Amino acid sequence: EVQLVESGGGLVQPGGSVRLSCAASGFTFSSYEMVWVRQAPGKGLEWVSYISSSGFTIYYADSVKGRFTISRDNARNSLSLQMNSLSVEDTAIYFCARDQWTGSHYFDFWGQGTLVTVSS
Amino acid sequence: SYVLTQPPSVSVAPGQTATITCGGNNIEGRSVHWYQQRPGQAPILVVYDDSDRPSGIPERFSGSNSGNTATLTIGRVGAGDEADYYCQVWNSDSDFPVFGGGTKLTVL
Repeated sequence: EVQLVESGGGLVQPGGSVRLSCAASGFTFSSYEMVWVRQAPGKGLEWVSYISSSGFTIYYADSVKGRFTISRDNARNSLSLQMNSLSVEDTAIYFCARDQWTGSHYFDFWGQGTLVTVSS
Repeated sequence: SYVLTQPPSVSVAPGQTATITCGGNNIEGRSVHWYQQRPGQAPILVVYDDSDRPSGIPERFSGSNSGNTATLTIGRVGAGDEADYYCQVWNSDSDFPVFGGGTKLTVL
């Protein structure tokens, strides 16, 4: 059974940092691209970042570029998101998801999410 | 950047068919994927590549894509189908995914 479990969220002050983790199991993690998607309270889904299976190719949404860093450890089946210079606009539930490609990318399994609240 | 437009809400009586649209410029040239998100839960993929269903998704869920509109159709709607539904495409021009704004399905 595919499982993705996020952790690391919490309350952080504006300008602060937090590191999210996503523990993967039930599939060959090193064979899959992964993404982070966030959802602000009462809002829709917003893609945050993408990482290839090897970790060599990385993309970021413009809203987080230069502040967030995605990484992965295939030996530990783990995905991470380092979030720096946080603002209130970054308050959201952060989901990790497995990226599936069949000529187009889509996300076939999602974690339950971890809430990051940026507030003073 | 590429924009996907969904109606904010759709209402349907129990047992009837719900139709949720996703508009985009020449969207038929892209593969469209659909997610269901029940309140307080993570999204679930219900349709991928316009009309394919993942394992475990009932046949009541179907998708189509033509012209400037992709459509998610849910047959024999029940209370358990109340959720937000999001369409998504991959924007190959900029190498990132785009989500529609979401549609709240209410079962009357």
